[in-house]
Amino acid sequence: DIQMTQSPSFLSASVGDRVTINCKASQNINRYLNWYQQKLGEAPKLLIYNANSLQTGIPSRFSGSGSGTDFTLTISSLQPEDVATYFCLQHNSWPRTFGGGTKLELK
Amino acid sequence: EVQLVESGGGLVQPGRSMKLSCAASGFTFSNYGMAWVRQAPTKGLEWVATISYDGSSTYYRDSVKGRFTISRDNAKSTLYLQMNSLRSEDTATYYCTREGRRVFDYWGQGVMVTVSS
Repeated sequence: DIQMTQSPSFLSASVGDRVTINCKASQNINRYLNWYQQKLGEAPKLLIYNANSLQTGIPSRFSGSGSGTDFTLTISSLQPEDVATYFCLQHNSWPRTFGGGTKLELK
Repeated sequence: EVQLVESGGGLVQPGRSMKLSCAASGFTFSNYGMAWVRQAPTKGLEWVATISYDGSSTYYRDSVKGRFTISRDNAKSTLYLQMNSLRSEDTATYYCTREGRRVFDYWGQGVMVTVSS
């Protein structure tokens, strides 16, 4: 199985900050990496698919980059509504595997 | 608007069975693969199973192989997960999700399954 290691596990930032979350795959997954946002008590929401494509309706302050084994989710200017847990997902091979999550809070 | 609505969860004893359903609307169900993803309380997300658009191919995580069966009824736009020989470690919220080109692009609200005596 491909292991997805997310960092950091916890992140505290201020409104307006640039925030980056990382995801490292245990082997090459090309660009088959998605990012999801999950707010408390809600289902996950797709933000970024195939490493750098913005899902319809998602604000442009969210962006993704990377390929191979190293990937990054960036929030260019943190907003209060971005408080959530973020997960990465590899869909290069079976089984699909998620990262452990990054809990983002406001400072 | 894409909608996925799960049902069928609840409390079940270890070793017993339960069947989850997911009613889909707002898109052509028969054109998309579908999947179940679960989340144990306060834990991360875990893919469970996927079925192809026509039901001809299925994929499972190792821990549920032989116990869980994913299926679909395209005439009813409904996805199912038959869970047998349930264990305490199967306790989780189960989400139905669409697996198209964008993989897990829409999710249901989730249904809780608690395995306990």
